[in-house]
Amino acid sequence: EAQVTQNPRYLITVTGKKLTVTCSQNMNHEYMSWYRQDPGLGLRQIYYSMNVEVTDKGDVPEGYKVSRKEKRNFPLILESPSPNQTSLYFCASSPLRLGGEQFFGPGTRLTVL
Amino acid sequence: DAKTTQPTSMDCAEGRAANLPCNHSTISGNEYVYWYRQIHSQGPQYIIHGLKNNETNEMASLIITEDRKSSTLILPHATLRDTAVYYCIVRRGDSGGSNYKLTFGKGTLLTVNP
Repeated sequence: EAQVTQNPRYLITVTGKKLTVTCSQNMNHEYMSWYRQDPGLGLRQIYYSMNVEVTDKGDVPEGYKVSRKEKRNFPLILESPSPNQTSLYFCASSPLRLGGEQFFGPGTRLTVL
Repeated sequence: DAKTTQPTSMDCAEGRAANLPCNHSTISGNEYVYWYRQIHSQGPQYIIHGLKNNETNEMASLIITEDRKSSTLILPHATLRDTAVYYCIVRRGDSGGSNYKLTFGKGTLLTVNP
């Protein structure tokens, strides 16, 4: 089944404790992206990647890092999480073609205390 | 990307067609109309997209006006599981990293009633 998976689905952590949220897709998509969703603010893009070793900042990259060492994986790293990073996070992937649709993962609900 | 305007909420009876409107009066020639939906806190789900012509797939139909300034998403036989927030998004379809970003507005909360 074609899908985007994220782990963990739920995470409660404390300020400053480094964490990684994994994202993997099995559709051989070139493009991958991370979004966060907060009440009243909609989805905002954090980082995106056009292909292996090619990443770029989205609208709200501060406090996050990403890497794209393999085509299928695009982990989101919070080196020193803070309470304002409490949010619902979505990973998405898309083929690089005209009008290509994006496929979203199930989401990771992160709480930073 | 062009801005879109959607009603905040709509109701529909189960089994009836749900027609969700979207205005995008500033759309430019190379921008596509996309529809996604999000069932409570789940990942957004792609529904359909189009450029000029009307489109249909197994989920829905997309009707785009001739001047492309508005569109309507049609769910032909709404079920309770179609209750969700529906987002109309306009974005460029050509290549370029930032062009793949999806900007979700507030969307339309569609409630399908038994």
